Amino acid sequence: EVQLVESGGGLIQPGGSLRLSCAASGFTFYNYAMGWVRQAPGKGLEWISDIADIGDSGSSTNYADSVKGRFTISRDNSKNTLYLQMNSLRAEDTAVYYCAKTGCSSNSCYADYWGQGTLVTVSS
Amino acid sequence: QLVVTQSPSASASLGASVKLTCTLSSGHRTYAIAWHQQQPEKGPRYLMKVNSDGSHSKGDGIPDRFSGSTSGAERYLTISSLQSEDEADYYCQTWGTGTWVFGGGTKLTVL
Repeated sequence: EVQLVESGGGLIQPGGSLRLSCAASGFTFYNYAMGWVRQAPGKGLEWISDIADIGDSGSSTNYADSVKGRFTISRDNSKNTLYLQMNSLRAEDTAVYYCAKTGCSSNSCYADYWGQGTLVTVSS
Repeated sequence: QLVVTQSPSASASLGASVKLTCTLSSGHRTYAIAWHQQQPEKGPRYLMKVNSDGSHSKGDGIPDRFSGSTSGAERYLTISSLQSEDEADYYCQTWGTGTWVFGGGTKLTVL
């Protein structure tokens, strides 16, 4: 059974940093691209980043314009874990952050499993 | 620009059928999409992928009541024999080079 468990959310002041983690199980982690999607309170889903393993060359990553230069996605295939390092946080980053497994080995694909989400609140 | 458009709301009676629509932007009518369901206070759940030829592949445990189809640039999700637990937000998602794109979602009310 595929399981994705996010952690690391919480209350953080504007300008602060936070690192989210997503522990994956039930599938061969390194074979699939992974992504982060967020949902602001009362709003729809917003894709923010994805990552695919490209073997010895490392990883291929993409970012939405809203987070480019502030957020960094990474993965540790030895720990079956996906990360999202979030810096220079703003009030508009307040959202539930979901980890998603894709159905592909390469970037830019559809999500076929979702985590339960972790809430990030940016407020002073 | 790659965009998918959904109606904000839909409603249908318990036991009836409903067809939700996701429309791909001009120049992208051959793209596949995925449908996701989000019940109140829960995370999203993948329902199926719908291809441009109308074929679809469902996620694990998705009932036969859920089906997908295509007509031109439109991708559909049909839910038959509506149940109370089908009341949820439904999002379509597509993807292109370096991006995933979500529609605004359709809130389905089961009457």
